[in-house]
Amino acid sequence: QKEVEQNSGPLSVPEGAIASLNCTYSDRGSQSFFWYRQYSGKSPELIMFIYSNGDKEDGRFTAQLNKASQYVSLLIRDSQPSDSATYLCAGSRIIQGAQKLVFGQGTRLTINP
Amino acid sequence: DGGITQSPKYLFRKEGQNVTLSCEQNLNHDAMYWYRQDPGQGLRLIYYSQIVNDFQKGDIAEGYSVSREKKESFPLTVTSAQKNPTAFYLCASSLQTGGSGYTFGSGTRLTVV
Repeated sequence: QKEVEQNSGPLSVPEGAIASLNCTYSDRGSQSFFWYRQYSGKSPELIMFIYSNGDKEDGRFTAQLNKASQYVSLLIRDSQPSDSATYLCAGSRIIQGAQKLVFGQGTRLTINP
Repeated sequence: DGGITQSPKYLFRKEGQNVTLSCEQNLNHDAMYWYRQDPGQGLRLIYYSQIVNDFQKGDIAEGYSVSREKKESFPLTVTSAQKNPTAFYLCASSLQTGGSGYTFGSGTRLTVV
């Protein structure tokens, strides 16, 4: 079982709708969770992170964490074509003083105009 | 502006050749990391370093070597022992205490010719 798992997609969503991206993790020692967006041929860029159970909102993005179910999600409201990218979920823990992120394989999202 | 600079952007390696990828950061981050990304795949950790003159192997260190002689620099050498080096290489850095995830460089695309 992979430490962080994502549905690789592709996920297709019409413009203006809500895109829902999901991630599960196996390591209960993971303390924080990060969502990165990666455009084709580019490096990942951080969208947001969450470490407490519940929801965290930032503009059109909402991250949700449920530690009991070991489940993380990212909602994108009012989806735009520019949101088309691969979204990487990562879990983090501190090991020997170093923050180590473990990434899922990513979900490819396409927003259709 | 603070950031991470990777060079070159594109690199071509002949069979049996060693090549070195450069990574420099001016964010005053303590920890630095090297990841490899294959098409349609997530990120896999090659090496990481928490402090100058110290580094640890990641999940796929075979065929790679690193050095950390300065806080700002963490070069990666892809040796001839790495049999399948064609990939997108990403360097990242973070604060020692973590919490805010990684900042990534723009990446180096390595191709064997």
